[in-house]
Amino acid sequence: QVQLVQSGAEVKKPGASVKVSCKASGYIFTNYAIQWVRQAPGQRLEWMGWINGDNGKTKYSQRFQDRVTIIRDTSASTSYMVLSSLKSEDTALYYCARDVTVHQQVHDGFNVWGQGTMVTVSS
Amino acid sequence: YELTQPPSVSVSLGQTANITCSGDKLGQKYASWYQQQPGQSPVLVIHQDYKRPSGIPERFSGSNSGNTATLTITGTQAMDEADYYCQTWDDSAVIFGGGTQLTVL
Repeated sequence: QVQLVQSGAEVKKPGASVKVSCKASGYIFTNYAIQWVRQAPGQRLEWMGWINGDNGKTKYSQRFQDRVTIIRDTSASTSYMVLSSLKSEDTALYYCARDVTVHQQVHDGFNVWGQGTMVTVSS
Repeated sequence: YELTQPPSVSVSLGQTANITCSGDKLGQKYASWYQQQPGQSPVLVIHQDYKRPSGIPERFSGSNSGNTATLTITGTQAMDEADYYCQTWDDSAVIFGGGTQLTVL
């Protein structure tokens, strides 16, 4: 079945970086973009960026533009999200999600979500 | 670009719930809706304004016109109590609404 499986929980100190992985299965990885979304405890969903699974093109939220990098490894059907210069406010559940529509032909929703990766930033 | 949702909506069991999402000329964009149960990942319930993914009950429907998209749940069940988020795109960036907590009385 189509699924996204994310890496396990992380605990980091302020100023450090974190790398979260999202492994896709059950579909052709290069046919779909992967989104990265985070949710602080008790807060709203917050979009961070996306990567095109085929050409590797990325788009980042202006809020994270200078601290986030999203990459992919097509041979492993995996996307990675790196967030640097971590602050306590970055403590959140980080999700990856897959577009409904192939090749970003339509600005659509996201119908496959990972289980989330908890990142805790604490000194 | 911002999407505005009411923080909370209450509905009686079996009645119709309407959750709104407002944004400038939102009707000219596609709107999607997600349901999120406590401790769970979001689930897409409506995309491209009104389309239901497979497995989503028919009681979920959507519309989008002018500046407002609406998620309607007809014959609301206790299991529908959850947070609901609207989402759209603006200049290749993804925008989420602030979320609405639906309470089923």
